[in-house]
Amino acid sequence: ETGVTQTPRHLVMGMTNKKSLKCEQHLGHNAMYWYKQSAKKPLELMFVYSLEERVENNSVPSRFSPECPNSSHLFLHLHTLQPEDSALYLCASSQDRAPNGYTFGSGTRLTVV
Amino acid sequence: GENVEQHPSTLSVQEGDSAVIKCTYSDSASNYFPWYKQELGKRPQLIIDIRSNVGEKKDQRIAVTLNKTAKHFSLHITETQPEDSAVYFCAAGNTGKLIFGQGTTLQVKP
Repeated sequence: ETGVTQTPRHLVMGMTNKKSLKCEQHLGHNAMYWYKQSAKKPLELMFVYSLEERVENNSVPSRFSPECPNSSHLFLHLHTLQPEDSALYLCASSQDRAPNGYTFGSGTRLTVV
Repeated sequence: GENVEQHPSTLSVQEGDSAVIKCTYSDSASNYFPWYKQELGKRPQLIIDIRSNVGEKKDQRIAVTLNKTAKHFSLHITETQPEDSAVYFCAAGNTGKLIFGQGTTLQVKP
């Protein structure tokens, strides 16, 4: 499969659970991003990875923990989330950190109960 | 902090009419301005972009204009069609980090 793939597509978790979101890109890009999309809010940048190094952490609570083991894979580890964390989590990739268009994944729809 | 304001939040037009969405940005270092279209339940997709050394760019029925002095840029869609109905996001960026506007829900009525 080409492009940016996110799994799972949907996730329901309790506030005490631990889960992980996965993103994989097949475009040869070297920068990857996590965005949060909530209803009636702009896309919120969470984390930026460039060449597998985290270069931006946009004041995200520690209950969200990113991991980038290589330039093709990005994870978002979740633990002790709150109901207000329910949202669509979008992964994106781009070539270099020079301003270029992102390619987005389809997102993971997360519901915290 | 860095901020992008987008207006209007909703826009309804008749098929065949034009639609205009406007954005302003705060970071004067921004030099890249893409527009994304997100259909219901789908991922945002890049439809057009412009860089700060260009004032206007056109691709068939869509065009983007940029005024760096005023720090605003606009998306223009002509001859709108029902399949143009979606949420449109503007963004402004520099060195790979994009800040997005709040989105505009465009409805094109047949």
